Amino acid sequence: KQEVTQIPAALSVPEGENLVLNCSFTDSAIYNLQWFRQDPGKGLTSLLLIQSSQREQTSGRLNASLDKSSGRSTLYIAASQPGDSATYLCAVRRGAAGNKLTFGGGTRVLVKP
Amino acid sequence: NAGVTQTPKFQVLKTGQSMTLQCAQDMNHNSMYWYRQDPGMGLRLIYYSASEGTTDKGEVPNGYNVSRLNKREFSLRLESAAPSQTSVYFCASSEATGAGIAFFGQGTRLTVV
Repeated sequence: KQEVTQIPAALSVPEGENLVLNCSFTDSAIYNLQWFRQDPGKGLTSLLLIQSSQREQTSGRLNASLDKSSGRSTLYIAASQPGDSATYLCAVRRGAAGNKLTFGGGTRVLVKP
Repeated sequence: NAGVTQTPKFQVLKTGQSMTLQCAQDMNHNSMYWYRQDPGMGLRLIYYSASEGTTDKGEVPNGYNVSRLNKREFSLRLESAAPSQTSVYFCASSEATGAGIAFFGQGTRLTVV
């Protein structure tokens, strides 16, 4: 059974510092990995998706890397801003069909002005 | 763009009551999902529908039923609500194949007393 872990559960940084969020998974046979952002009381918003054949994906200040062999993904957020405060979740998809996602518990991020 | 729409946003039920959570997507996605989110447990898959006319159990299906009414709509029914079903429920949709980026609704906060 796939298990996804995100450590730490919470993180507080001063504005301007780079954020590094970790995601680990136990079964390396994944189809892709997706990073989401969740604001309090809101739904999930997809940030980046990395296919299993890719090593990284970038969007603006966000960069996500994937190392399937070690079962790890890292989300980097450059030059953090107070608006980046949210919970960040990673999720892995097992196969091409069905698209079931297994989620990590999330990392709650606070960026202090 | 509406994306994934869930109704209601909030609901309080008494133990033993029944209700149906509604979900509709306007992105012509084949696959739809119901998740629940609980503190310390993350998001867990209740049921999913890989395509119109099919439904399958996820990780925590007990106490729930689903109906894929058509390609747009996927409902979740609680036949006899229990306090353990107090949670935030999210509906999601995606393409069944390809990248399969998942799009989430805003959630339904359900309290069973």
